[in-house]
Amino acid sequence: KNQVEQSPQSLIILEGKNCTLQCNYTVSPFSNLRWYKQDTGRGPVSLTIMTFSENTKSNGRYTATLDADTKQSSLHITASQLSDSASYICVVGSNFGNEKLTFGTGTRLTIIP
Amino acid sequence: GAGVSQSPSNKVTEKGKDVELRCDPISGHTALYWYRQSLGQGLEFLIYFQGNSAPDKSGLPSDRFSAERTGGSVSTLTIQRTQQEDSAVYLCASTVITGREQFFGPGTRLTVL
Repeated sequence: KNQVEQSPQSLIILEGKNCTLQCNYTVSPFSNLRWYKQDTGRGPVSLTIMTFSENTKSNGRYTATLDADTKQSSLHITASQLSDSASYICVVGSNFGNEKLTFGTGTRLTIIP
Repeated sequence: GAGVSQSPSNKVTEKGKDVELRCDPISGHTALYWYRQSLGQGLEFLIYFQGNSAPDKSGLPSDRFSAERTGGSVSTLTIQRTQQEDSAVYLCASTVITGREQFFGPGTRLTVL
């Protein structure tokens, strides 16, 4: 069964600090890995999309890494801001004709001043 | 341009009633997805439309759930004889082509009493 597991489930850090969120997946065949940010009451917004040939991708203060051999990904947030408070969802795409996405349950990040 | 819109934003209904949820995708996006997000769970795929192809209904949890997409644009998700376990946020997403970034709507929060 395709699964995406994220850790930690929740995280609280001080404004200005860095943090790293983890994602492990068992999805086959692998097509791509995405990180989404979901603010409370809103739909998810894409941060990065990586294929198996990419091992790092940045979007501003967000940097995602991918190790397709160990099936692990991380999302590093630099110099956190209050607006970074949200859920961060790891999503793995699988090519079975129509692409199927398997979603993790997310890491709830809270930035405190 | 406008993003994905969904209506209503909130829907409260009594058990046994039928509900219709609407999604307006981004103009020109040929692919449209419906997902369900239950409390504490990852997004769950429901149904996928791609152009004029037959929809992928493999994620629909029961025959009480159906969806249609008229004219390759607006989509309606219908839940008949609602049950309390149908309570969730229903999210719609559209994309130019499968494998590319999916743009999510704000979701419809359905509460079945």
